[in-house]
Amino acid sequence: KQEVTQIPAALSVPEGENLVLNCSFTDSAIYNLQWFRQDPGKGLTSLLLIQSSQREQTSGRLNASLDKSSGRSTLYIAASQPGDSATYLCAAAGVATNKLIFGTGTLLAVQP
Amino acid sequence: NAGVTQTPKFQVLKTGQSMTLQCAQDMNHEYMSWYRQDPGMGLRLIHYSVGAGITDQGEVPNGYNVSRSTTEDFPLRLLSAAPSQTSVYFCASSYRAVGGGGTEAFFGQGTRLTVV
Repeated sequence: KQEVTQIPAALSVPEGENLVLNCSFTDSAIYNLQWFRQDPGKGLTSLLLIQSSQREQTSGRLNASLDKSSGRSTLYIAASQPGDSATYLCAAAGVATNKLIFGTGTLLAVQP
Repeated sequence: NAGVTQTPKFQVLKTGQSMTLQCAQDMNHEYMSWYRQDPGMGLRLIHYSVGAGITDQGEVPNGYNVSRSTTEDFPLRLLSAAPSQTSVYFCASSYRAVGGGGTEAFFGQGTRLTVV
């Protein structure tokens, strides 16, 4: 059974700092891994989708990497801003299922 | 672009009542799913559908029913509401089934349900 873990559960950084959020998964047989952002009381917004054949994806100040062999993905945020404050969730799409399995998220606070 | 639309946004039910949470998407997506989000538990899959007329169970299906009569709509029915079903419910869709090659998932804004 696929399990997805995100560490740390919460992170507070000063504005301008570069940071890395971690996501690990137990079953490396995945189609893709997706990173989402969730603001309080809101739905999930897709940030980046990495296919299993890819090593990384970039969008603006965000860079996500995927290492299937080690069961890890990271989301790198450059030059963080207070507007980046949110919960970040990763989700793995399993090969053997039609299911997207989520981690419990990292709550990020960027202090001005 | 409407994307994925969920109604209602908020609902309070009494124990034993039934209701339907609505979900509609206008992107011609094949795959739709329902999740519930609880503190400390993350998002858990309730039911999903890979196309009109086809549904299947997720991790936590008990107490919920779904049907998919059209590509656009995927309603979630609570048969007899219980306090344990107090949660935030999210509907999601993607162009193809997640397990069939994987495409980007889009989420609705959620329905916050309280069962008293």
